[in-house]
Amino acid sequence: TQLLEQSPQFLSIQEGENLTVYCNSSSVFSSLQWYRQEPGEGPVLLVTVVTGGEVKKLKRLTFQFGDARKDSSLHITAAQPGDTGLYLCAGAPENQLIWGAGTKLIIKP
Amino acid sequence: DVKVTQSSRYLVKRTGEKVFLECVQDMDHENMFWYRQDPGLGLRLIYFSYDVKMKEKGDIPEGYSVSREKKERFSLILESASTNQTSMYLCASSFLGAGGLYEQYFGPGTRLTVT
Repeated sequence: TQLLEQSPQFLSIQEGENLTVYCNSSSVFSSLQWYRQEPGEGPVLLVTVVTGGEVKKLKRLTFQFGDARKDSSLHITAAQPGDTGLYLCAGAPENQLIWGAGTKLIIKP
Repeated sequence: DVKVTQSSRYLVKRTGEKVFLECVQDMDHENMFWYRQDPGLGLRLIYFSYDVKMKEKGDIPEGYSVSREKKERFSLILESASTNQTSMYLCASSFLGAGGLYEQYFGPGTRLTVT
């Protein structure tokens, strides 16, 4: 069974701080997606990474796919209250997505 | 704007009732999915469909069935609701293709409580 483990499960920090959350697996994925889910809503795609070592930036968010395509990280610079949400990673070994349990992020003003 | 709509945001049903959850998408997507989301467990795939009248079991199909009579509509059926089916149910759709390369678009979810 392929698993995606996300860490930490929960993170609460002050506005303006930096943070990194992780998505790890022992399996290789052909691609990996990051979604953000706000309370009462469905997840929304932030980014897809495909190439080992790839780095993608989305304003203050930086996503990295590990060289071996088994792990990924999301770094947020100068976090803002609007970044609050559940961050989910999803990997595609073949034709279906496998989902991590998510990191619940709270940014306090 | 892509839209995936779900018939109810909140639903309370009694044990043993038959429950229908409806999902409609307006993007002409081939793929449609039903997930349940429970704290600490992430999204678990119940069923998916890649075409009208086609369905495939996901990771946790027991106690559920699905129906896709039209491309835009995918229904999840709980034949006899049980308390362990209390959960958030999310519907999603995507284009057909390599699973991880296509964005899944989600509805807002239905929070089902079975008492």
